[in-house]
Amino acid sequence: EAAVTQSPRNKVAVTGGKVTLSCNQTNNHNNMYWYRQDTGHGLRLIHYSYGAGSTEKGDIPDGYKASRPSQENFSLILELATPSQTSVYFCASGAWASAETLYFGSGTRLTVL
Amino acid sequence: AQRVTQVQPTGSSQWGEEVTLDCSYETSEYFYRIFWYRQLFSGEMVFLIYQPSFDTQNQRSGRYSVVFQKSFKSISLVISASQPEDSGTYFCALSELGTNTGKLTFGDGTVLTVKP
Repeated sequence: EAAVTQSPRNKVAVTGGKVTLSCNQTNNHNNMYWYRQDTGHGLRLIHYSYGAGSTEKGDIPDGYKASRPSQENFSLILELATPSQTSVYFCASGAWASAETLYFGSGTRLTVL
Repeated sequence: AQRVTQVQPTGSSQWGEEVTLDCSYETSEYFYRIFWYRQLFSGEMVFLIYQPSFDTQNQRSGRYSVVFQKSFKSISLVISASQPEDSGTYFCALSELGTNTGKLTFGDGTVLTVKP
């Protein structure tokens, strides 16, 4: 069974603070993704990665950095968190050029006060 | 640029009825896939079914099927014999194969309520 694990599940941060969201996958997938979901909306792509050492900007990358130190791990970093970044963040993994779907983690609910 | 639109923010049905959820999309790619996901109340994203653009046959998976109208760039998810457990938010998502990124572009979803 494909598995994507996110931590923490919930996070409360202060404005201007640094936040790191972590994601681990045991699927041996090349591609990993970070999405955010705001209430009443679909998921929007922040950053993605093709493999260890690579990060690419998605559709809404401003205010976010990403890090892919290994095949299994992909982090999303908010250097200076703002209240507008309050959202639910989803990590996903997928095989390159595969007909398979993406596999999603359970999400991290981030509140920036 | 890719775009996915789900014009029905909400939908409802009675237990046992067939439900149709609509989705339209924009893409300049010839090869793409359209995915349907259901988001549970816990937030978990559950994959339901996908339609490749190069396949003219409508895909089926259990109680889920799609009606794919490629020329209109629209696709509908059909749930047969709906059950209260089918309640949740349904998302349509587009993956363009030409970019090789595998990324998905999502619609805003349709919240479905199936009444007992």
